[in-house]
Amino acid sequence: NAGVTQTPKFRVLKTGQSMTLLCAQDMNHEYMYWYRQDPGMGLRLIHYSVGEGTTAKGEVPDGYNVSRLKKQNFLLGLESAAPSQTSVYFCASSRQGEVYQPQHFGDGTRLSIL
Amino acid sequence: GQNIDQPTEMTATEGAIVQINCTYQTSGFNGLFWYQQHAGEAPTFLSYNVLDGLEEKGRFSSFLSRSKGYSYLLLKELQMKDSASYLCAVTDSNYQLIWGAGTKLIIKP
Repeated sequence: NAGVTQTPKFRVLKTGQSMTLLCAQDMNHEYMYWYRQDPGMGLRLIHYSVGEGTTAKGEVPDGYNVSRLKKQNFLLGLESAAPSQTSVYFCASSRQGEVYQPQHFGDGTRLSIL
Repeated sequence: GQNIDQPTEMTATEGAIVQINCTYQTSGFNGLFWYQQHAGEAPTFLSYNVLDGLEEKGRFSSFLSRSKGYSYLLLKELQMKDSASYLCAVTDSNYQLIWGAGTKLIIKP
């Protein structure tokens, strides 16, 4: 029962470097999400996707890009990392349509930008 | 603006009962979720309320009053493993989840 898998689990970057966070789900979910979680704040939505080939901006999209080339994968890219992007990043997925369907989360990626 | 308020931290005793409150002001309402998050782990789903009233699920119950913009999560027979953060989230009119900052629950023996 893999569920939602995120790689890597930890990463340290220098300011200005780029990287891609990978998210894979094996539940055949249509919807996928990328969040960041910072101390004292709620989860904030970065980008989301309602299906293969589609993406949309969330609450805090600046400095991030995403791609959903395959239904099971959702990639989050940082083109030029900044210290303000130090955070824990969570990927989540959910079924299509029904609002009562909960989101299922990966274990998170802890990212530090020096 | 949209806002969800929860207490930052609560402390309770093993075997006791604790109530974690959540108040919300959002543009529209399409349901309220409670999630549990242990330190360093992913949030996991606990409950969903869309109609007023109490939903019971084992030791955990969740209550909703839409007219008051208020919910609570009730945990009975507390166990040490219940030490975690509890996140309240509301689905707004755009079907986006708006998250509270979470309540850290500390259980003492």
